[in-house]
Amino acid sequence: NAGVTQTPKFQVLKTGQSMTLQCAQDMNHNSMYWYRQDPGMGLRLIYYSASEGTTDKGEVPNGYNVSRLNKREFSLRLESAAPSQTSVYFCASSELGTTNYGYTFGSGTRLTVV
Amino acid sequence: AQKITQTQPGMFVQEKEAVTLDCTYDTSDPSYGLFWYKQPSSGEMIFLIYQGSYDQQNATEGRYSLNFQKARKSANLVISASQLGDSAMYFCAIGGSARQLTFGSGTQLTVLP
Repeated sequence: NAGVTQTPKFQVLKTGQSMTLQCAQDMNHNSMYWYRQDPGMGLRLIYYSASEGTTDKGEVPNGYNVSRLNKREFSLRLESAAPSQTSVYFCASSELGTTNYGYTFGSGTRLTVV
Repeated sequence: AQKITQTQPGMFVQEKEAVTLDCTYDTSDPSYGLFWYKQPSSGEMIFLIYQGSYDQQNATEGRYSLNFQKARKSANLVISASQLGDSAMYFCAIGGSARQLTFGSGTQLTVLP
């Protein structure tokens, strides 16, 4: 099925461990995003990539790094995980000029840091 | 900077009745888009409806309509003929020129049989 694929779906990390969340889209979208959702809250933007080769910080970038590997893939890395990074992470993609921005979300990664 | 305010943490509605979920926004972008998403307990983000800031008519998608009042900076979601499956968290969001979305804190809707 066309869309945004995130891996893994669930992950438990110990404080200080590192990991990379993977995201791939097959809709040929130029823009990709990483959001986090804490309990009882809306999504907040971590980083985004307006086009291949560019990345920019969002509202809550501290503790994260990103890589736009190619047009399809946008990864999010936690170098030294902290309990405050326990959250659900959503990747999304969009395309300029499309109705409703063509926004498509992945199914999310539930991350717990203990 | 953009901001979305949803003042109703929880709402109840009787099955088959209509319900309005409130959303107000603030933005300095001259062109923007307003979105509503549904998030069921399974966690996925389901797109419901979109309104562009220059659209002359209010958006409608099936049982969903968006009551857009630009001067009041409000973009309320109206769900007609509520169904039990409508029970979920609902998020209002705004997208500006860079197309990042800013979300509100959400409204938990419960449909009563």
